[in-house]
Amino acid sequence: GENVEQHPSTLSVQEGDSAVIKCTYSDSASNYFPWYKQELGKRPQLIIDIRSNVGEKKDQRIAVTLNKTAKHFSLHITETQPEDSAVYFCAAIRPGNQFYFGTGTSLTVIP
Amino acid sequence: DAGVIQSPRHEVTEMGQEVTLRCKPISGHNSLFWYRQTMMRGLELLIYFNNNVPIDDSGMPEDRFSAKMPNASFSTLKIQPSEPRDSAVYFCASSWGISSNTEAFFGQGTRLTVV
Repeated sequence: GENVEQHPSTLSVQEGDSAVIKCTYSDSASNYFPWYKQELGKRPQLIIDIRSNVGEKKDQRIAVTLNKTAKHFSLHITETQPEDSAVYFCAAIRPGNQFYFGTGTSLTVIP
Repeated sequence: DAGVIQSPRHEVTEMGQEVTLRCKPISGHNSLFWYRQTMMRGLELLIYFNNNVPIDDSGMPEDRFSAKMPNASFSTLKIQPSEPRDSAVYFCASSWGISSNTEAFFGQGTRLTVV
């Protein structure tokens, strides 16, 4: 199956600073790359996604970039706020819809 | 739609007992996933169903684990016999699509504790 690696595993930033989380994948057939946010004690929920025919996508303070040649994609959060503190998971999806997730990044935004 | 519904929310059982976790996917979704979440391993894909058929069960850790999907609106994950190392949060998720992938919606999870 797909092998998704995610870095860093933990990340602390000061409120207002930017946070970047990076993922790599192994299967060149993967064509859908969602990012999920999981707050403490809650379920993972989609925050943004990107498809293989797009290099970058932005939604307010969050953005994702995709480099298909290098097989890596990144999540960028600007102007971080305490409510951004959570665990973030990336995923790489092959046709056939098997969702393989990265190991997660625990983000702490320090007020 | 109420979303993906899992039951029970919490389960505490003794080692050696059988545990059954239940999931009702979102109506109309054709893919269902079972995940296990631990601090050490993150979100592990255990098994994936498409149109009620198990497509990939390579993530199922051992023969003690089994999953079924008798119809489009119900799935179970069974552990028999349970062991303390099975303690984790188990999530069910569903989505729609095959060639064009779409968002996976997660249930609230079942927190399993085996003592």
